[in-house]
Parts: sequence; structure tokens; C-alpha cells
Amino acid sequence: RKEVEQDPGPFNVPEGATVAFNCTYSNSASQSFFWYRQDCRKEPKLLMSVYSSGNEDGRFTAQLNRASQYISLLIRDSKLSDSATYLCVVTHWGGGGNKLTFGTGTQLKVEL
Amino acid sequence: DVKVTQSSRYLVKRTGEKVFLECVQDMDHENMFWYRQDPGLGLRLIYFSYDVKMKEKGDIPEGYSVSREKKERFSLILESASTNQTSMYLCAMQRGGPRSSYNEQFFGPGTRLTVL
Repeated sequence: RKEVEQDPGPFNVPEGATVAFNCTYSNSASQSFFWYRQDCRKEPKLLMSVYSSGNEDGRFTAQLNRASQYISLLIRDSKLSDSATYLCVVTHWGGGGNKLTFGTGTQLKVEL
Repeated sequence: DVKVTQSSRYLVKRTGEKVFLECVQDMDHENMFWYRQDPGLGLRLIYFSYDVKMKEKGDIPEGYSVSREKKERFSLILESASTNQTSMYLCAMQRGGPRSSYNEQFFGPGTRLTVL
């Protein structure tokens, strides 16, 4: 089983739609959780952190469920510019330091 | 603005060649990382370094080595390139030492390496 699993998609949605991505992780000792965004042929960039209480940044809402070991990302009123791959990232102590493990990503395509 | 630069965007090498991938950061951060990214496999950690002269193996270090002689520069070396090392290579930096709570990593633009 992969440490971090995501549905690869692609999710094809019309502009203005609401779309949700889920991610599950296997290491119960995981400490911190993030969503990164990666545009086509570009490097990943931090989108937002994910907290147990849930957090919102504009049209984006992230949730963490530690008991079930999954995190989610909700995008409301999706825009064409939201088209990208969304990477779920989980951290835990390992190898002498704080180690990030990346999911393989979920591809989103927002269409007119 | 945070800046991580990588020496080449595209590189084509032949099997058996020695390959150097350079990464430079401008933020005086201690932690630097090398990943490779392949379709269906995501980002996998090759090596990382928490300070000058220090290096730690990641999840897939076989066939690679690294060098960190200066804080701002972290080099990935393929001693004898093979076709299965064809991939996108991404360098990243992160502030703080090994026990830092700062988790955000800043990535370079990547080097797409093709080994023929």
C-alpha cells in the first residue's frame, strides 16, 4: 500500500462547479498535512496547509480526519485557472528529520 | 521572492555518462532535497542535506550521489547514467534544521533528463 494515495483523475468539470479531492495516508504517526499545486511542466507550489479544525482560503477548503486518516480539498466556483495537478503531502519524522511524502497527484481540468 | 535555480531545464545524455545536476538557492536555508518525478509514481526522494557537508539517503538513492560543499549549492550526481534514470529531477529547499517545524518546501523549475 502506498503511504499517500490519491485518485489520479482527471476530474473534468465545468467552470463554476464545486469539486472535491480526497487523499488517504497510511502512517498514523503523520504530523502535518498539505496540498500542493503543480501546473503542467512546472514545479509544485504550496497551496495550503491542512489543520484538524479545517481551514479555508477563499474558494478552497481543506479538511483533515485523523481517525480515518484522510484529508480533503474542496474547490468552489472553479475557474479555468484552477486546472492543474493537486498533490497531497504528509509529513512525519524519519531519516533524522522531518520527511515529506507526496501523493501522485489528482489532475483537475476546468472547462468552459 | 524565494528562488531555487537548476542548471538546466532539459538535458540529454548517453548511457554510461557521468551527469551533474546543479541546484542553487538564494535564501541561506539549511535543508535541501533532490526528488525525481515519474508518471504514476509521484515525487520520490533521492537524497537530502541538512547542512554543508551533510547528506542523507532518501527513498531511492541507488545510482545517485550528492555533494554539498557550500550552503547554497546542492548537486546531484549520476555516476554512470542509465536509461531508467530518465526522469524529471526537482530540487527543493526548506528553511530550518532537521527538526524544523517549517514544512514548506520551495522547488526549482526542474530538469528533464533523457538518457539514451
